[in-house]
Amino acid sequence: KQEVTQIPAALSVPEGENLVLNCSFTDSAIYNLQWFRQDPGKGLTSLLLIQSSQREQTSGRLNASLDKSSGRSTLYIAASQPGDSATYLCAIQGGSEKLVFGKGTKLTVNP
Amino acid sequence: GAGVSQTPSNKVTEKGKYVELRCDPISGHTALYWYRQSLGQGPEFLIYFQGTGAADDSGLPNDRFFAVRPEGSVSTLKIQRTERGDSAVYLCASSLTGGARTDTQYFGPGTRLTVL
Repeated sequence: KQEVTQIPAALSVPEGENLVLNCSFTDSAIYNLQWFRQDPGKGLTSLLLIQSSQREQTSGRLNASLDKSSGRSTLYIAASQPGDSATYLCAIQGGSEKLVFGKGTKLTVNP
Repeated sequence: GAGVSQTPSNKVTEKGKYVELRCDPISGHTALYWYRQSLGQGPEFLIYFQGTGAADDSGLPNDRFFAVRPEGSVSTLKIQRTERGDSAVYLCASSLTGGARTDTQYFGPGTRLTVL
């Protein structure tokens, strides 16, 4: 059974700092890994999707990496802004259509 | 519509009552998913529809939970004899085909269910 762990559970940084969020998973037989953002009272917004054959994806100030063999992914956020404050969720798609999520990292960027 | 919509946004009910939660997926999306998110947890898969049929209902916790998608568009999640442990945010998502491993799932804002 796939298990997804996200560390840290919460992170508070000053504006402008670069930061890394971590995601680990137990079963390396995955199709893809996705990073989502969740704002309070709102649904999830997909940020980046990395296919199993890829090593990284970039979108603006976000960069996500995938090391399937070690069961790890990182989400790098450059030059953080207060608007980046949200909960970031990592999700794995394995041998079925369902996504398996971690518990998330709650990020607070202080002005 | 532009995105996935869910109604109601909030539902408060009493233990033992029946509730229905509705999801309107993005137009043209054949795949539809239901997830449940408890406080402090990530979303957990409940059921996946491909068209009108439930292709995977392995996440439904027990037979009190049932979902339908009769015309391959709108879906309703039905919970009988609600229990306090059913309190959570119920999220719906849709994707274009569901069969491609590169499909992004687009999520709705969720329905917050509170069982008193």
